[in-house]
Amino acid sequence: EAQVTQNPRYLITVTGKKLTVTCSQNMNHEYMSWYRQDPGLGLRQIYYSMNVEVTDKGDVPEGYKVSRKEKRNFPLILESPSPNQTSLYFCASSRLLGDQPQHFGDGTRLSIL
Amino acid sequence: ELKVEQNPLFLSMQEGKNYTIYCNYSTTSDRLYWYRQDPGKSLESLFVLLSNGAVKQEGRLMASLDTKARLSTLHITAAVHDLSATYFCAVDWDDMRFGAGTRLTVKP
Repeated sequence: EAQVTQNPRYLITVTGKKLTVTCSQNMNHEYMSWYRQDPGLGLRQIYYSMNVEVTDKGDVPEGYKVSRKEKRNFPLILESPSPNQTSLYFCASSRLLGDQPQHFGDGTRLSIL
Repeated sequence: ELKVEQNPLFLSMQEGKNYTIYCNYSTTSDRLYWYRQDPGKSLESLFVLLSNGAVKQEGRLMASLDTKARLSTLHITAAVHDLSATYFCAVDWDDMRFGAGTRLTVKP
């Protein structure tokens, strides 16, 4: 089954404790992306990657890091999480940017206390 | 500044009625997407619009794109309860920008 898998689905943690949210896709997609969703703001793109070893900042990259060492994986790293990063996070992938819609993971709800 | 604006943000309508959701964007783009999100769920792709004048239809939903006006519309025909969800448009520039979403409630 074609899917984008995120882990964990839920996480409650404390300020300053490094965390990683993993994202993996099994569709051999070149393009992968991370978004955060906050009430009233829609989805805002954090980082995206056009292919292995190629990453670019989205609209709200501050406080986040990503890496793309393999085509299937695109982890999101919060080196020193803060309460304003409490949000619902989605990973997405697509075959080619532009001509195909993105496939979204089920989301990760992060609470930073 | 790159902006995507949807309206209305909230829409309550009765079954059987027609309505249109609007998506305006600030800078030229030839790629616009519509997604649906059910409460507590992920996003599901509805339409991909890739050129001026593009029109796509699926069931009771029809989406169109006017790149000159920087406007896309999502038209709902004869609404049914199952269409209750939040609908997002998204525009592809160097990065992807989403509208704030339109929360649609269809009442019997």
